[in-house]
Amino acid sequence: DTEVTQTPKHLVMGMTNKKSLKCEQHMGHRAMYWYKQKAKKPPELMFVYSYEKLSINESVPSRFSPECPNSSLLNLHLHALQPEDSALYLCASSQGYRSGEQYFGPGTRLTVT
Amino acid sequence: QQQVKQSPQSLIVQKGGISIINCAYENTAFDYFPWYQQFPGKGPALLIAIRPDVSEKKEGRFTISFNKSAKQFSLHIMDSQPGDSATYFCAASMLLRTGGFKTIFGAGTRLFVKA
Repeated sequence: DTEVTQTPKHLVMGMTNKKSLKCEQHMGHRAMYWYKQKAKKPPELMFVYSYEKLSINESVPSRFSPECPNSSLLNLHLHALQPEDSALYLCASSQGYRSGEQYFGPGTRLTVT
Repeated sequence: QQQVKQSPQSLIVQKGGISIINCAYENTAFDYFPWYQQFPGKGPALLIAIRPDVSEKKEGRFTISFNKSAKQFSLHIMDSQPGDSATYFCAASMLLRTGGFKTIFGAGTRLFVKA
């Protein structure tokens, strides 16, 4: 099973709302990632988690707050977002130290109104 | 130094032809070079990848050529099919000391294969 699942598929939120994106994998991978992808652009790395610890934060604004409750789950908490944060948010996972192969989920399409 | 430059932006190929996409990187700390295929509304899917100690890797109709001294690599799609029409991203990854990989993507190439 090489599946990464993400919920919800679509999310519309106002600038004062608080919402969360969820990501799950059952491949035994120990590294998980959040990417942001704007239309017709490449994915941009936001956060890397390794063994449930934050490995890097690519200078992401604090209105995005990641959380890794266990090795299979990755959340992205959203608060006070701006319209320019509207994008496809992709989750990925990889084995960790042994392999750079990343498996991506289908993404959550986020619209901030 | 973290950039990955990809060309062309778009590519139209006849069915059965060869599609060629080129990428270049600057940072020699990158040690893993994957190619991803993305269809509209889907997440990127890993197609093929190479490490810098190998000059060529072939999987089915897909071949990566790697030139370490020039810091360039390319994807060749042989016998291109209409089903190959998608956006292709090259990428460069490095293992982080704290675990996981930092991956930088090229700008992408939109491939259209004419039937």
